[in-house]
Order: sequence, then C-alpha cells, then structure tokens
Amino acid sequence: QVQLQESGPGLVKPSETLSLTCTVSGGSITNYFWTWIRQSPGKGLEWIGYIYNIGSTNYNPSLKSRVTILVDKSKNQFSLEMSSVTAADTAVYYCAREAKYDYGFEFDYWGQGTLVTVSS
Amino acid sequence: DIQMTQSPSSLSASVGDRVTITCRASQSISSYLNWYQQKPGKAPKLLIYAASSLQGGVPSRFSGSASGTDFTLTISSLQPEDFATYYCQQSYSTPRTFGQGTKVEIK
Repeated sequence: QVQLQESGPGLVKPSETLSLTCTVSGGSITNYFWTWIRQSPGKGLEWIGYIYNIGSTNYNPSLKSRVTILVDKSKNQFSLEMSSVTAADTAVYYCAREAKYDYGFEFDYWGQGTLVTVSS
Repeated sequence: DIQMTQSPSSLSASVGDRVTITCRASQSISSYLNWYQQKPGKAPKLLIYAASSLQGGVPSRFSGSASGTDFTLTISSLQPEDFATYYCQQSYSTPRTFGQGTKVEIK
C-alpha cells in the first residue's frame, strides 16, 4: 500500500522560503506524477505542480516564478520550495500521486496534509 | 486555465435522500473528470474517475455521469458517512483545476 507523508516547518516568516518534503513508502517514486496541492479557505484546492520521470516538472503558471519541485530517488522523497511567501500562502499543503491511465489521470494517493502558516 | 464550477456550494439532506451535485467545465474536457470526497481534517479521497467509473472500494450508491461539459455526481441513498465536501477536478490539461466544493450537511 502506497503511503505519502509530508514534513516540514509549520511556521514560515513572510518573504522567506517554504520547504516541504514528501516521503513515499510502499512503492517506487518512478513512473508517476508526484504532485503538490494546497488548500486554503480563500482559494479552495489549488494545484501547485508536479515532477515526473525524475526531473521533468510542470508548475501552475500562477506560482511558477516562486516554486521548485525536486526529487531524491535515493530517499524516495520529493520536495517543494516556495520562495517569497506571504500570508496568502498560508494553507494546508498536500503531496499526492497522480497516475496516468488510458482514460486519464487521477490523484489516487494523498498525504495527510500539513498546515503551513506564514506569519512573523 | 479550465474553470470548474460546482453547484450547489452546499446542501442539506437527510439519510436516505438522493443527492445530486453538478460540475460544469469552462471548455470541453472529454471525460477527464474526477470526483473526490473530503472529510474535515482529511485529504480528499478519489470516488469517481473518468466521469463515471467507480474507484475500487467505493460504495455503489455513488455514481457519475457526463453530458458535454456538464458532469453530475449522484448519491442514490445518502448514508451518515457521506456527509462531507465533494470536489470535481479536471485532468484534461494543466494546470489541474478543482471545483470550489459542495458541502453536504445533515438536515
């Protein structure tokens, strides 16, 4: 059974960089789209981006200038870095696996989510 | 970006009721539409994929359908464990986008 677990600071100061890691267990980190999604009361569920094929990335254009997603295959982990955060980046951050099938794509496994608050 | 518009944003229903939630895409997305259920403090859970296919382990009272850019999630007989928020999501293109959610509450 695939499991995902987010980790990282729960409090980040404005203008600093948010860094989160997602550890994947029960399966390989290859062959899927490893995704970050966030949820805030004001904006609902927002797709941040994904990494696949151990290096190719695709980011939400609204966040692209501030976001980097990396993968560490040796640790079966992928990570999110978001720079120059503001209070608007306060949200629950989820990591998820997106699988591709003949009929489309789906988020079939999710982490439990981690709340990140941006505040001084 | 493809906009996903859900309606209603909330509804009140009783156990045993038939519940219908609608999601409209701003452009054609074929059948690249998924439905998720989210309970408080939990991650979303996949219910329906490809507009009408039931994810393994999901009760058969859940069903999905599509007509053009309009998609529907139906719960045939609402159970106590179904009170939650439901989201549609398009996987036709990036950025992936979600509906704003429909909260199903106890009447």
